Amino acid sequence: GIQVEQSPPDLILQEGANSTLRCNFSDSVNNLQWFHQNPWGQLINLFYIPSGTKQNGRLSATTVATERYSLLYISSSQTTDSGVYFCAVPTTSGTYKYIFGTGTRLKVLA
Amino acid sequence: NAGVMQNPRHLVRRRGQEARLRCSPMKGHSHVYWYRQLPEEGLKFMVYLQKENIIDESGMPKERFSAEFPKEGPSILRIQQVVRGDSAAYFCASSPVATKISEDYGYTFGSGTRLTVV
Repeated sequence: GIQVEQSPPDLILQEGANSTLRCNFSDSVNNLQWFHQNPWGQLINLFYIPSGTKQNGRLSATTVATERYSLLYISSSQTTDSGVYFCAVPTTSGTYKYIFGTGTRLKVLA
Repeated sequence: NAGVMQNPRHLVRRRGQEARLRCSPMKGHSHVYWYRQLPEEGLKFMVYLQKENIIDESGMPKERFSAEFPKEGPSILRIQQVVRGDSAAYFCASSPVATKISEDYGYTFGSGTRLTVV
């Protein structure tokens, strides 16, 4: 089945710094979502981005489907950005069944 | 729109007891998905249901776990005779359409139920 790998596994930043999180997937996909799991465990949709680039405030994401990766950019990080960032792609057998990456655990220090 | 509602938020059970987790999908959504997140791991698919039908239960453990989505009321994930290894966060998601995950029809997750087996 499709494999999803995220890097780095852990990241510590000072408030105000920028960062790039990466998601590699082993097979072609027709959609991809980025999620933020906050320290209280809630999963928040960030982007639905099967291809191209999208921006939402200090966050932006780019997916290059032909090269099987997606990037999430966080600019001017804030302590509220702390948590775990997951990318998820559908399995090849069903578009409703997502495979989640192992996540990037981000801690932003004040 | 209240979003996907899960309850309880936290559930503590002794080994051997039953755990019942509830999920009410977003208004207008008729497709429900359950995922499990073990500590320090990503989410893993368990089961996909429509009203009164289990469509795909390929991620469900073969024993002790069951799910339903009745015509009326929330979807229920039931774990019988819980063991310590069942301790995890269980998330429910819903969508209006199953086969077309897109920006308009993407997953929306509930806040999860954290099950602790003591």
